[in-house]
Amino acid sequence: DTAVSQTPKYLVTQMGNDKSIKCEQNLGHDTMYWYKQDSKKFLKIMFSYNNKELIINETVPNRFSPKSPDKAHLNLHINSLELGDSAVYFCASSSLAGETYEQYFGPGTRLTVT
Amino acid sequence: AQTVTQSQPEMSVQEAETVTLSCTYDTSESDYYLFWYKQPPSRQMILVIRQEAYKQQNATENRFSVNFQKAAKSFSLKISDSQLGDAAMYFCASGSARQLTFGSGTQLTVLP
Repeated sequence: DTAVSQTPKYLVTQMGNDKSIKCEQNLGHDTMYWYKQDSKKFLKIMFSYNNKELIINETVPNRFSPKSPDKAHLNLHINSLELGDSAVYFCASSSLAGETYEQYFGPGTRLTVT
Repeated sequence: AQTVTQSQPEMSVQEAETVTLSCTYDTSESDYYLFWYKQPPSRQMILVIRQEAYKQQNATENRFSVNFQKAAKSFSLKISDSQLGDAAMYFCASGSARQLTFGSGTQLTVLP
């Protein structure tokens, strides 16, 4: 009955590789997000999609590319991984049509770039 | 732009005692919500409590309550009867329809 799921939960890879993180929500929400949490636990929004359309695109290197095949999925592809990309990446979802704006988070993906 | 400030990087409380975590925010939005999220060592982000900005009454969820001072843009979280399971990083967040902005977090330690 997982509401927001992410795969994989752990990802260890070498510099220069390309990797993807997948996210799925079964809450019927219309908006999905990617956040990056750095080593100091600071959470920063990266992208947001509403009904498959990009609505937030913060200052993120263009090596990061989100893709939303449908409202229930938002994947994050990262090209040419760098050491500084090591972090925990969270997917979240919410309903803009709802009234509370609260976001539901996935379990996070810990990415380690060596 | 929204900003959220948590001025206490770390706090500790004795089990069964009460602790208050501070948060101030700034927003130009007229319609917004405020949230406290908890992140235990499992790293899962868990919603603790939400406050609608248009409501004057402070939100309460069991042992968790907020002190919302809209004019002062202050939104503190009070945890009563602290339990060992409350130990976590607590994040304050301010949100509108499109985006949540998070504070830097307060690491809460509960002492047995």
